[in-house]
Amino acid sequence: GDSVTQMEGPVTLSEEAFLTINCTYTATGYPSLFWYVQYPGEGLQLLLKATKADDKGSNKGFEATYRKETTSFHLEKGSVQVSDSAVYFCALSEGFKTIFGAGTRLFVKA
Amino acid sequence: NAGVMQNPRHLVRRRGQEARLRCSPMKGHSHVYWYRQLPEEGLKFMVYLQKENIIDESGMPKERFSAEFPKEGPSILRIQQVVRGDSAAYFCASSLPRRTGRDTEAFFGQGTRLTVV
Repeated sequence: GDSVTQMEGPVTLSEEAFLTINCTYTATGYPSLFWYVQYPGEGLQLLLKATKADDKGSNKGFEATYRKETTSFHLEKGSVQVSDSAVYFCALSEGFKTIFGAGTRLFVKA
Repeated sequence: NAGVMQNPRHLVRRRGQEARLRCSPMKGHSHVYWYRQLPEEGLKFMVYLQKENIIDESGMPKERFSAEFPKEGPSILRIQQVVRGDSAAYFCASSLPRRTGRDTEAFFGQGTRLTVV
């Protein structure tokens, strides 16, 4: 079945460092891909999405490109802030069901 | 337009009691999804409902768990005879109807954190 694999955390970075969180997926069809962010004690918020191959989703300085050839959707940000500390979930949806990765916790130190 | 509302935010139950988790979808949304998040894990799909219908419950445990989304009122996730292993965060999401080949964003509530003691 469909699945999402993302890099294990936690990831600890200093402020202004470059961030990459890897995400790969397996799917039988052509899913939409998402990154969600979960701040402590909160629900999930959609960070960005891409609905077809080569689309780039971007929001709040984060971006990810839908790569069909490598079945990947890596999350990047050029300069992280302390306020970016959260858990990041890669997800895919095909039809009505959204399938999530296990999440990657990010700590950003001042 | 209020977001997805879940209550209670925190729920403590003793083993053997019943837990009822409520979810009010966003205005205009007729589709509701329930997910469970165990500590330090991702979200696992449990059930997908639309008004008065269960569309897919493939992620629901076969016993003790049930869900409904009545014509009026919130969606309810019910856990009977809770055990310690049921302790988790339960998230509800809602969306407009999803159609084949078209993506529709799901909006998440803040979750209910169930602790079984």
